[in-house]
Amino acid sequence: KQEVTQIPAALSVPEGENLVLNCSFTDSAIYNLQWFRQDPGKGLTSLLLIQSSQREQTSGRLNASLDKSSGRSTLYIAASQPGDSATYLCAVTAFGNEKLTFGTGTRLTIIP
Amino acid sequence: DGGITQSPKYLFRKEGQNVTLSCEQNLNHDAMYWYRQDPGQGLRLIYYSQIVNDFQKGDIAEGYSVSREKKESFPLTVTSAQKNPTAFYLCASSMGRVAYEQYFGPGTRLTVT
Repeated sequence: KQEVTQIPAALSVPEGENLVLNCSFTDSAIYNLQWFRQDPGKGLTSLLLIQSSQREQTSGRLNASLDKSSGRSTLYIAASQPGDSATYLCAVTAFGNEKLTFGTGTRLTIIP
Repeated sequence: DGGITQSPKYLFRKEGQNVTLSCEQNLNHDAMYWYRQDPGQGLRLIYYSQIVNDFQKGDIAEGYSVSREKKESFPLTVTSAQKNPTAFYLCASSMGRVAYEQYFGPGTRLTVT
């Protein structure tokens, strides 16, 4: 059974710093991995989707990498801003399973 | 504006009553999903539908029911059989069956007392 872990559960960094969020998964046979952002009381916003054949994806100040063999993904946020404060979730779609399996998220706080 | 709408944003019900949550999308997506989110837990899949008039149980379908009569709509009914219905419910859609990016609605917070 696929399990997705995100550590740490919470992270605080000063504004302007670069930071990395981590995601690990137990079964490397995946179709893709998706990173989401969730603001308090809101739905999820899709940030980046990495297909299993890709190593990374970039969107603006965000860069996500995927290492299937080690079961790890990272989300790199450059030059953090207070508006980046949110919970970040990763999720994978495993082969033979049409569903997304989610991690419990990392709550990020950017200190002005 | 293309997107997914869920209504209402907040819903309050008495124990023992059934309640239906609305989800509509105008993205022309084939697949739609219902998730439940509880504090400290990852999102859990309740039901999903790949095509009109067809749907499958997810990981926690007990106490819930759905219908998919139109491509745009995927309502979720929380029945009185659901033992812990208070939660944040999220609807999502994607273009196709597997490995497509999922897009989420704003959610409905259901409180049952």
